[in-house]
Amino acid sequence: DIQMTQSPSSLSGSVGDRVTITCRASQGISNYLAWYQQRPGKVPKLLIYGASTLQSGVPSRFSGSGSGTDFTLTISSLQPEDVATYYCQKYNSAPLTFGGGTKVEIK
Amino acid sequence: QVQLQESGPGLVKPSQTLSLTCTVSGGSISSGSFYWSWIRQPAGKGLEWIGRTYTGGSPNYNPSLRSRVTVSVDTSKNQFSLKLSSVTAPDTAVYYCARGKILNGFDIWGQGTMVTVSS
Repeated sequence: DIQMTQSPSSLSGSVGDRVTITCRASQGISNYLAWYQQRPGKVPKLLIYGASTLQSGVPSRFSGSGSGTDFTLTISSLQPEDVATYYCQKYNSAPLTFGGGTKVEIK
Repeated sequence: QVQLQESGPGLVKPSQTLSLTCTVSGGSISSGSFYWSWIRQPAGKGLEWIGRTYTGGSPNYNPSLRSRVTVSVDTSKNQFSLKLSSVTAPDTAVYYCARGKILNGFDIWGQGTMVTVSS
């Protein structure tokens, strides 16, 4: 089965910083990669699908890139409301594995 | 506006079967564009995909849970369900139901329901 590895596991940035999270698949998954945001105590929310397509209503400071095995989620200007744990997930075929998560905090 | 709502016991005894139902409102569970999944999250930990079902298709399961899990759909009630047998303490988690779109990932989630395994 394909494993999804995220890095870093946590990061801290200042408001306005550019933040990048990496997700690596152990085998190629084309662009069948989604990113989710889970704010503390809340339900996960779909941010990006197809590796780079922004879900409706998601702020444009979020962007995704990559294909095959290496993917990134970028927040161009970190905001206080972006404090959350971010997960990548493959969905090309079962099992639909999630990455371990990256916790983003504000300095 | 499609909404999902989990229901079921919040406390299950060890070795028993955990049973949850997800009710879909605002849309039909029979739509061929979607699949219906269960995902869980132990306290302070990450998301774990459990399994999915389609109407008219065979379910898929997480290999680590396959021997204990069944996900099924009841189109007459617009619901899908999860059964996890022989539960132990590590099965304690918030359980989410979610709608997946074939090319889009999980776009709609239920609020989640906490299930504790304890005697």
